[in-house]
Formats: sequence, structure tokens, C-alpha cells
Amino acid sequence: DADVTQTPRNRITKTGKRIMLECSQTKGHDRMYWYRQDPGLGLRLIYYSFDVKDINKGEISDGYSVSRQAQAKFSLSLESAIPNQTALYFCATSDRVGGLATDTQYFGPGTRLTVL
Amino acid sequence: AQSVTQPDIHITVSEGASLELRCNYSYGATPYLFWYVQSPGQGLQLLLKYFSGDTLVQGIKGFEAEFKRSQSSFNLRKPSVHWSDAAEYFCAVAGISNFGNEKLTFGTGTRLTIIP
Repeated sequence: DADVTQTPRNRITKTGKRIMLECSQTKGHDRMYWYRQDPGLGLRLIYYSFDVKDINKGEISDGYSVSRQAQAKFSLSLESAIPNQTALYFCATSDRVGGLATDTQYFGPGTRLTVL
Repeated sequence: AQSVTQPDIHITVSEGASLELRCNYSYGATPYLFWYVQSPGQGLQLLLKYFSGDTLVQGIKGFEAEFKRSQSSFNLRKPSVHWSDAAEYFCAVAGISNFGNEKLTFGTGTRLTIIP
């Protein structure tokens, strides 16, 4: 079984709908991240969480919210989806070795979201 | 703020040929540098990372990278590519975000195609 799983893997939704992307991990890591990937732009950090009580904004958090329900679960929500949120979304985890900058991140397989 | 440039969007090489993928970074202090690979339909996987010490870093799958401070570069190399190396490759640098926390900044990626 995969260490980092994401559900759903693909989702098509309409403008204005609320949508939640879920991430679960069995690696026992404290740190979890949400990224979006757009062609030609690489990966950009949306939110990250160092533990259940610690959640931080990334570089592109507007229009998104997150919930860290447990050490193993980190959900990303789009309260009112818009077409420019169409992207590939990745969840990642890392452990506590060193500071954030030195952590190796482990990625899920991604969720392809299309907002019509 | 840190940044990463991968000047080659797409590279095609013949199976068995050597490979070099370019990465240039901008960061005010000593950088932490990473190369990740994304196979089709998969999440990102760490190939190698550089924190300090020997400037030639060995990674998985026969890849290596060389840190050159004078050129602000961290190029990825492989002496002989295999068809299974076809993927997208991302260089990343760790540094301080606008919010004061360390984070990874990814390049826009280089897509590698292998021809027989």
C-alpha cells in the first residue's frame, strides 16, 4: 500500500461548488503539505502543517483552506471553486530530521482537479 | 527570496546516451538543493539532495549532481540513460519564505524524452 494516498484521484466540478481533497499517510510523519502544479509553473506551496495544532499559509493560500484532522490526515478545501483553480494537487509529508529546509518530502500520487 | 531556473523545458536523448539537466538557483546564503523526479501519473520522488560537504552528490537510479557555488548551479547528470528515465525532473532550493519559514521552491521542471 502507498505511504501517502490522495482521494479523489480525479475530480471535475463546477464553478462555485465546494470541494474537498483528502490526504492520508501511513509514514508517521508530523509534517504535511499541499502543493498545486500548473504546466510551466512547477509546484507551488498552498499550506503546510508541522503538527495537528500548527497550520501555516504557503505562497498561494488565497481561495483555499485546510484541516488537519489527525497526524495522518490533512484535507484541502476549495470553498467556492473557480476555473483558475484547475490544476494537479499534491500532498506531501516529511519527518522531523533537521529543519523544514532539510526534510525529504514524500509525495502522494496527485489529484487532478478540473473546475468548469 | 530564493528562486530556481531550469532553462530546458524539454530534452530528448537517445537510450544509452549521457544526460545533463541544468539547474540554476538564487539564494543569499548556502542553499539546500534537491532534485526530484516525477514519472507519468505519479507523485514526486527524491533523487538526491545537497546540504554541505562534497559538492558531487550521488543519488538513486544512477543519478548524480554537482554543486557549483561560483556558477550558482546544481546540474543533474547520468552517464547512460534508460527508457525508464523518461519523466519530468524538478530542481528545488530550500530557503526562507515571505512568511519567515523555510520552504522548498521548485523550478518549472524539465521533461525528458528517451528515444530508442
